[in-house]
Amino acid sequence: DAEITQSPRHKITETGRQVTLACHQTWNHNNMFWYRQDLGHGLRLIHYSYGVQDTNKGEVSDGYSVSRSNTEDLPLTLESAASSQTSVYFCASRAGGETEAFFGQGTRLTVV
Amino acid sequence: RKEVEQDPGPFNVPEGATVAFNCTYSNSASQSFFWYRQDCRKEPKLLMSVYSSGNEDGRFTAQLNRASQYISLLIRDSKLSDSATYLCVVANQAGTALIFGKGTTLSVSS
Repeated sequence: DAEITQSPRHKITETGRQVTLACHQTWNHNNMFWYRQDLGHGLRLIHYSYGVQDTNKGEVSDGYSVSRSNTEDLPLTLESAASSQTSVYFCASRAGGETEAFFGQGTRLTVV
Repeated sequence: RKEVEQDPGPFNVPEGATVAFNCTYSNSASQSFFWYRQDCRKEPKLLMSVYSSGNEDGRFTAQLNRASQYISLLIRDSKLSDSATYLCVVANQAGTALIFGKGTTLSVSS
């Protein structure tokens, strides 16, 4: 069955370190997204991609970057981790149009 | 005005109750609308899409009012297993990115 997976599921890192969160989907979806979820804020869009070599900034993109070298993967990089980036990160993919988005199981990141 | 707004609740109801959630969105050009369900510490999952004509799936009914930019979800005969956070979701004008409301928390008790 097609799926979307995130790794790692949990990570603790130190302030200032570069961190990369992986997202891999086998749906062959063109559209992929990264969200962060924090208490009181809900799901906020960080970056998204409509296809290979395409990336776009979302609502809370500062301090994050993504790259899309193939259809299946959209890694999220925190250039220099900050305590404010402690959060739960969800990756999602979607075919487009009126179709639903499918979510990975999330990555819980703690920056100390 | 936030792009997607929901009453955060919590809504505390007994089993068997009927409960309704409302959601408003700011972009009149939005194309697609959904309700997602999220259980504690889990990923969001699609509950149902929302169509202009309204749609029903068992105990769940969704309505869309484009003129008022308003979406609703009605849950009849609530079950303990309905306890979760319900997220109102709107696709942007291009129909690509999904914008989430902060969610409404439902707690069903016996």
